[in-house]
Amino acid sequence: QQQVKQSPQSLIVQKGGISIINCAYENTAFDYFPWYQQFPGKGPALLIAIRPDVSEKKEGRFTISFNKSAKQFSLHIMDSQPGDSATYFCAARNAGNMLTFGGGTRLMVKP
Amino acid sequence: GAVVSQHPSWVICKSGTSVKIECRSLDFQATTMFWYRQFPKQSLMLMATSNEGSKATYEQGVEKDKFLINHASLTLSTLTVTSAHPEDSSFYICSASTAAYEQYFGPGTRLTVT
Repeated sequence: QQQVKQSPQSLIVQKGGISIINCAYENTAFDYFPWYQQFPGKGPALLIAIRPDVSEKKEGRFTISFNKSAKQFSLHIMDSQPGDSATYFCAARNAGNMLTFGGGTRLMVKP
Repeated sequence: GAVVSQHPSWVICKSGTSVKIECRSLDFQATTMFWYRQFPKQSLMLMATSNEGSKATYEQGVEKDKFLINHASLTLSTLTVTSAHPEDSSFYICSASTAAYEQYFGPGTRLTVT
């Protein structure tokens, strides 16, 4: 019940294209859904996050779409740039403030 | 923004020795800090949760006598890997939680045990 499933494992997108990463969860007690960006050899950095009472949140080129009934949420990166090439993790937080991470998506944006 | 530091950023040690990793919240007080381990091309796995002034809570399968965690103040937590072995080689990452329950991650520590 604590698992968060993330897909795809890897993604190649052309510069200017849209990158879409999907996550699904089982535990309805999760109350906060952040996305993290991680570059090689670095710690994860919070990118954007959403709470389950909101269906969409947009910050610049990054948008989270949240479907509470389907227990799914996704990250959309508009106008993808080579500098966006990184590993992206979705996560879900429980009431104990513990994060469960998805498996990660390695994104490569080709120039 | 909230900044979390880790020291050292990388360390190489010999098998059987112990290594201490520090995690500091630089501009906020963190009542809770978390320690994660990440193997190459894998996700982050929570090892333990530590609250200031109390014993750490370890996840299932994590040896508490091997991975000693001390959270002596609201800005400092330490992870000591005791009697390290090559299989302990990994990327160790801490995070610190703000009063609003947002977690900010440190830059990680690369441990290599030879």
